[in-house]
Amino acid sequence: VLTQSSLSLAVRPGEPASISCRASQSLLYSNGHNYLDWYLQKPGKPPQLLIYLGSNRASGVPDRFSGSGSGTDFTLKISRVEPDDVGVYYCMQALQTITFGQGTRLEIK
Amino acid sequence: QVHLQQSGPGLVKPSQTLSLTCAISGDSVASKDAAWNWIRQSPSGGLEWLGRTFYRAKWYTSYAPSMKGRVFIKPDTSKNQFSLQVTSVTPEDSAVYYCAGQGEAASLDSWGQGTLVIVSS
Repeated sequence: VLTQSSLSLAVRPGEPASISCRASQSLLYSNGHNYLDWYLQKPGKPPQLLIYLGSNRASGVPDRFSGSGSGTDFTLKISRVEPDDVGVYYCMQALQTITFGQGTRLEIK
Repeated sequence: QVHLQQSGPGLVKPSQTLSLTCAISGDSVASKDAAWNWIRQSPSGGLEWLGRTFYRAKWYTSYAPSMKGRVFIKPDTSKNQFSLQVTSVTPEDSAVYYCAGQGEAASLDSWGQGTLVIVSS
């Protein structure tokens, strides 16, 4: 089970944002990788991959986005929120049968 | 760049079978480095993985335990696509259905456009 720390978040443009995701079991595999991804879903669109294996930015993702954590506790950080960052952020684990967190809606103040 | 194009009806009657197809371009359904998934999103927003198929010298398919017995995912190498069938549907199966490609890092790095399926008589 993946539990995201908050269901919604309101941030002013230019301010930082942080979303946490806690797993009920360790997502660290014997190969040293954490099988935890972060996705952003914008209205009317499918989710898009932001961060894979806990801390690797997907192709084309701005460096304002960063992922950290290991084992059961993970964090997605946005260093300076922009209006285009609004949407719902999901964590997902792929170590076992794929499951998603419940999502965190990011709004702009 | 992998592109996934979904097709299939948006309205299914209760007790009937929901059928969707996902056509792949930019990769092969038989790729030894990829897996092909179906995910759905309920009206409340929750994402639920349904299952996947992949080829590693032979075909493998796995399903979400909650859906076992009602969900079937099949590859079609002749058309480079894969399909989803959900049998005996009820209104609770109404959702947006997505196909998604999974790469070596196990992340879902390509997605179809989504298909809204409503189960109603």
